[in-house]
Amino acid sequence: DQQVKQNSPSLSVQEGRISILNCDYTNSMFDYFLWYKKYPAEGPTFLISISSIKDKNEDGRFTVFLNKSAKHLSLHIVPSQPGDSAVYFCAATAPGGYQKVTFGTGTKLQVIP
Amino acid sequence: DGGITQSPKYLFRKEGQNVTLSCEQNLNHDAMYWYRQDPGQGLRLIYYSQIVNDFQKGDIAEGYSVSREKKESFPLTVTSAQKNPTAFYLCASSMPIGDNEQFFGPGTRLTVL
Repeated sequence: DQQVKQNSPSLSVQEGRISILNCDYTNSMFDYFLWYKKYPAEGPTFLISISSIKDKNEDGRFTVFLNKSAKHLSLHIVPSQPGDSAVYFCAATAPGGYQKVTFGTGTKLQVIP
Repeated sequence: DGGITQSPKYLFRKEGQNVTLSCEQNLNHDAMYWYRQDPGQGLRLIYYSQIVNDFQKGDIAEGYSVSREKKESFPLTVTSAQKNPTAFYLCASSMPIGDNEQFFGPGTRLTVL
């Protein structure tokens, strides 16, 4: 049962354009969402997060949008740079004493120079 | 220079042998986690520990064992009972409550021949 879904396994974007990575979730208890970036043979690194009380969070070139009614979030990267080429994981947590993180399957982004 | 270290980066073992993967952190985090990543799949939780001398099974604990004798260390043993042990293993840590961000190590690629 995949509670966090990233339906696009890969995405190619021209340098300078916008990259939009999508994520859907099924568990209505999730209240905190995170995006991680991962290069090959390395551990993921935290990129940006959003609480369910917000619908947008921005950090430099990265913006995450949350649509709770649709159980959908997206990560926008503007402008895209070749160094952004990586696998992006969407993740979610539910309230509780233990912050178990449920990860999506990842989207591989390629930014073409 | 705080962080999480995993060793070795690449590990080869013969089928039927147990192998232990190392994970050390100097972030003073209470919680530590082990994940497994397979091609086309997200990160799946193997075991987690919220505090020293305590640990819990994750979603795919069968064939694995852990210990948490020190706050800084959370070694994972892949036993011969694990049916498909070849994978990329990631260790992470976080503060257990109030901070959802997990910090990941560089990973260990285990190949069972």
